[in-house]
Amino acid sequence: QPVLTQPPSASASLGASVTLTCTLSSGYSNYKVDWYQQKPGKGPRFVMRVGTGGIVGSKGDGIPDRFSVLGSGLNRYLTIKNIQEEDESDYHCGADHGSGFNFVVFGGGTKLTVL
Amino acid sequence: QVQLVESGGGLVEPGGSLRLSCAASGFTFSDYYMSWIRQSPGKGLEWVSYISHDSNIIHDADSVKGRFTISRDNAKNSLYLQMNSLRAEDTAVYYCARYHSEFDYWGQGTLVTVSS
Repeated sequence: QPVLTQPPSASASLGASVTLTCTLSSGYSNYKVDWYQQKPGKGPRFVMRVGTGGIVGSKGDGIPDRFSVLGSGLNRYLTIKNIQEEDESDYHCGADHGSGFNFVVFGGGTKLTVL
Repeated sequence: QVQLVESGGGLVEPGGSLRLSCAASGFTFSDYYMSWIRQSPGKGLEWVSYISHDSNIIHDADSVKGRFTISRDNAKNSLYLQMNSLRAEDTAVYYCARYHSEFDYWGQGTLVTVSS
């Protein structure tokens, strides 16, 4: 099964843009990845799914247009433009086996701080 | 709107048992696969278990296989996790989540602490 790697932290100034990265382990470049946002003390919230062709399916409920994704090689990116205070959260990426579904793995999460 | 509310967490001694519940509302529960996912304090997410809409397909993470049992009651719109032989490393917030090609809705979680 794949291993997903995320940097533990990131920061960006209010109104700026930031790109978060989730890296799949070697051999899994065809895998899609799901991004989740988690605020302190809350359950995660689905943001969107990304493959090498970009977004797969629809964004999660209420996810602003400021959020977008890209995929390239082993990397899956989540970009947030015009960062707002409410975007300060932990961001997790996850991957499952699709229709086979016998495993699900998550990255360690990235804590995004808005300066 | 979709709501998932977990309950049943608490403090339990190593080797003990606990049963978690997840009450679902705002959608046709019997149409969806469901899952339990946990998060140890200050750590990332760890998938625990998964059950199909009709309970015919169940998969568990290796870390809980043989100790935890997922089940559901579609008539009561409820998901359950029976946890036996609990270990200190099972200490975590446990979330139930609806699966629809992704985990599209999550509850707020219930804390399980395994300690003597």
